[in-house]
Amino acid sequence: AQTVTQSQPEMSVQEAETVTLSCTYDTSESDYYLFWYKQPPSRQMILVIRQEAYKQQNATENRFSVNFQKAAKSFSLKISDSQLGDAAMYFCAFEYNNNDMRFGAGTRLTVKP
Amino acid sequence: DVKVTQSSRYLVKRTGEKVFLECVQDMDHENMFWYRQDPGLGLRLIYFSYDVKMKEKGDIPEGYSVSREKKERFSLILESASTNQTSMYLCASSLPVLDYGYTFGSGTRLTVV
Repeated sequence: AQTVTQSQPEMSVQEAETVTLSCTYDTSESDYYLFWYKQPPSRQMILVIRQEAYKQQNATENRFSVNFQKAAKSFSLKISDSQLGDAAMYFCAFEYNNNDMRFGAGTRLTVKP
Repeated sequence: DVKVTQSSRYLVKRTGEKVFLECVQDMDHENMFWYRQDPGLGLRLIYFSYDVKMKEKGDIPEGYSVSREKKERFSLILESASTNQTSMYLCASSLPVLDYGYTFGSGTRLTVV
């Protein structure tokens, strides 16, 4: 069974600083996708970044980047130049078939002005 | 602006009531999903559908049923609501493509008293 673990229930960062959210997963599959989703207080979950397992290059989307370590089954999210609008719950997710996406328990990120 | 719409943001129902949660998407997506979100547990899949009139059980289907009579609409039904079904319910949709990710609705906070 595929599992996703986010070991940090809460994190905080000073505005303009950098923060890294951790995620590990367990799978025997070789080809899969990994995602980070953001859920602001307004509650609508939005996709932040995605990574395909067979691509070694780490994905980047503006201030958001990942550190994908396939052998270690690790997929961390780095947020650079943190902004107040980055405050949210962040969920790591794993998908290897189209009908089965697994989510971690989430990390609540607080951004301090 | 494409979106997934959940008909209610907040619902309060009594124990034993039959409850309908409605979800509509305007993106012509084949796949639709119902998740339950609880603190510390992340998102857990209740049911999903990959086509009209098709449905598959997720990880926690007990006490729930679903209906998909039209492609754009996916309903979650609590046959006899219980207090342990008090939760946040999220609807999502996606194309049948592995790397697409999901588009989520804003969620329905259901309280069963």
